[in-house]
Amino acid sequence: GQQVMQIPQYQHVQEGEDFTTYCNSSTTLSNIQWYKQRPGGHPVFLIQLVKSGEVKKQKRLTFQFGEAKKNSSLHITATQTTDVGTYFCAGPGGGSNYKLTFGKGTLLTVNP
Amino acid sequence: DTEVTQTPKHLVMGMTNKKSLKCEQHMGHRAMYWYKQKAKKPPELMFVYSYEKLSINESVPSRFSPECPNSSLLNLHLHALQPEDSALYLCASSHPLDTQYFGPGTRLTVL
Repeated sequence: GQQVMQIPQYQHVQEGEDFTTYCNSSTTLSNIQWYKQRPGGHPVFLIQLVKSGEVKKQKRLTFQFGEAKKNSSLHITATQTTDVGTYFCAGPGGGSNYKLTFGKGTLLTVNP
Repeated sequence: DTEVTQTPKHLVMGMTNKKSLKCEQHMGHRAMYWYKQKAKKPPELMFVYSYEKLSINESVPSRFSPECPNSSLLNLHLHALQPEDSALYLCASSHPLDTQYFGPGTRLTVL
């Protein structure tokens, strides 16, 4: 079945350092979505990428979708303590377009 | 309004209790979802309702019973749960095949 691998599992940075998390799917994706979950919170939708090679920015966050539409990355420039949380990528599939296959997530902690 | 609401926020129940989780959205979404999330894990899909009909049941034990009374409401009825069912239960909604928006969840503890 479809798998979405996400690395690293954990990342600890000093405030001001950059951070990147990577997702790789076993199958071509029609789109990829990114969510952020704060400790004790719920997943919050960040962005959806649809086009091959697409790059989108949200302030300090840069999202990329690979040319083959099988991999994606989220890069945060100059991390802040408010960036703390688990970042999940998710792609539709697994036998139904209603299903999202989530990566295992990357837990980001930021030392002030 | 991009809000999905869930009640209660926290629930503690014994293994012989019957309780219900409730979810509501007013975004006009016609797909609604129940997920279960254990600590440090991604959400795990349980059920999908599309246009108020159950379209996906991910082989969830019958002690979990979903219900979709109308296009804005989604319930999850719980009966005879086990301690290992303790988790965060998330509701989500979306336009069909579109981005899913999650509610704040119900943190369930089964004693």
